[in-house]
Amino acid sequence: KAGVTQTPRYLIKTRGQQVTLSCSPISGHRSVSWYQQTPGQGLQFLFEYFSETQRNKGNFPGRFSGRQFSNSRSEMNVSTLELGDSALYLCASSLVHLQEGYGYTFGSGTRLTVV
Amino acid sequence: SQQGEEDPQALSIQEGENATMNCSYKTSINNLQWYRQNSGRGLVHLILIRSNEREKHSGRLRVTLDTSKKSSSLLITASRAADTASYFCATAGGSYIPTFGRGTSLIVHP
Repeated sequence: KAGVTQTPRYLIKTRGQQVTLSCSPISGHRSVSWYQQTPGQGLQFLFEYFSETQRNKGNFPGRFSGRQFSNSRSEMNVSTLELGDSALYLCASSLVHLQEGYGYTFGSGTRLTVV
Repeated sequence: SQQGEEDPQALSIQEGENATMNCSYKTSINNLQWYRQNSGRGLVHLILIRSNEREKHSGRLRVTLDTSKKSSSLLITASRAADTASYFCATAGGSYIPTFGRGTSLIVHP
């Protein structure tokens, strides 16, 4: 079966612009989480969505937002981009809510470069 | 924070040798997971071990968990060049959100 699909794979944006990243989870998976990975901070949790509701949110400014659609696909948006937002953004899906204690299946990520 | 810390940061071995990576954490957990990441790509889930479990196996992988010492180890037996990757532990506490450590970079020389 298809894995977690993230689009686009690479993106270059200018400071001040906004960007939308997309994630399609594995069919049947209802939980989608987003992580930011940078060399300096490692993997940082952004948010988790389950059944179209944001269930958990990490310690990121309000410029970072997301949503989940009825088909479990998710998008995250970053407004007013800063150079420090350059990172690999990873989407991960899970069969059920994280409290059920299942592992993630990750997508290959979107590499965002802000210039 | 219950972010796990992997040790060592880097490990270089020859093919056929065993590789052991450790993860320590600070607060109680519900589960601990190990992931592998190849060269800036997505992470691959290896094993999840729950707080009431002490050991799990998957192929050449063996994971142990010692909640009294707040530590876990990942053993890869008979390493192959294809095992070259970064390995992360992720601890999940009350919120069940996996919090990742900085990883161990493993290089297996053919």
